[in-house]
Amino acid sequence: EVQLVESGGGLVQPGGSLRLSCAASGFTFSSSEMNWVRQAPGKGLEWVSYITGSGSTRYYADSVKGRFTISRDNAKNSLYLQMNSLRAEDTAVYYCARDRESRDYFDYWGQGTLVTVSS
Amino acid sequence: DIQMTQSPSSVSASVGDRVTINCRASQGISSWLAWYQQKPGKAPKLLIHAASSLQSGVPSRFIGSRSGTDFTLTISSLQPEDFATYYCQQANSFPLTFGGGTKVEIK
Repeated sequence: EVQLVESGGGLVQPGGSLRLSCAASGFTFSSSEMNWVRQAPGKGLEWVSYITGSGSTRYYADSVKGRFTISRDNAKNSLYLQMNSLRAEDTAVYYCARDRESRDYFDYWGQGTLVTVSS
Repeated sequence: DIQMTQSPSSVSASVGDRVTINCRASQGISSWLAWYQQKPGKAPKLLIHAASSLQSGVPSRFIGSRSGTDFTLTISSLQPEDFATYYCQQANSFPLTFGGGTKVEIK
């Protein structure tokens, strides 16, 4: 069974940093492209970042470019999102999501982890 | 960036009704479109990919179609478990983008 479990969310002050993790199981993680998608409270879905199975290619939304870094450790079946210079508008539930057969649709999602940026 | 315009933003319907949700891409995306269902407090669920292909395990009452840059999700006979918010997403190019969502509510 495919499972994605996020962790690392919490309350952080504006300008602060946070690192999210996503533990994957039930599939060949190293062969799968992965993404982070977020959802602000009461709002719609926003794609944040993408990484290939090898980690060689990464893409970011303009809203987080230069502040967030996606990475992965295939030996640990884990995906990460390092978030720096956090702003109030980064407050959201952050989901990790697997690409469906390299087609950039998201066929499995984690349960999400809430990040709140507030003083 | 490709903008995805979804309509309506909400729809009220009864069990058994046929419901149609629309999504328009700001430029050509071929059939690189997905539909998701999201219930409150839960992660989204993939329903349709490649505009009209049903994801494994999804009931056949969910039907996706395409006409040029216009895409449609049809629920042929609404069931109680279908009351949720639905999103379209283009997978043609980065940045990947979602429509604003359509909330299907009980009439």
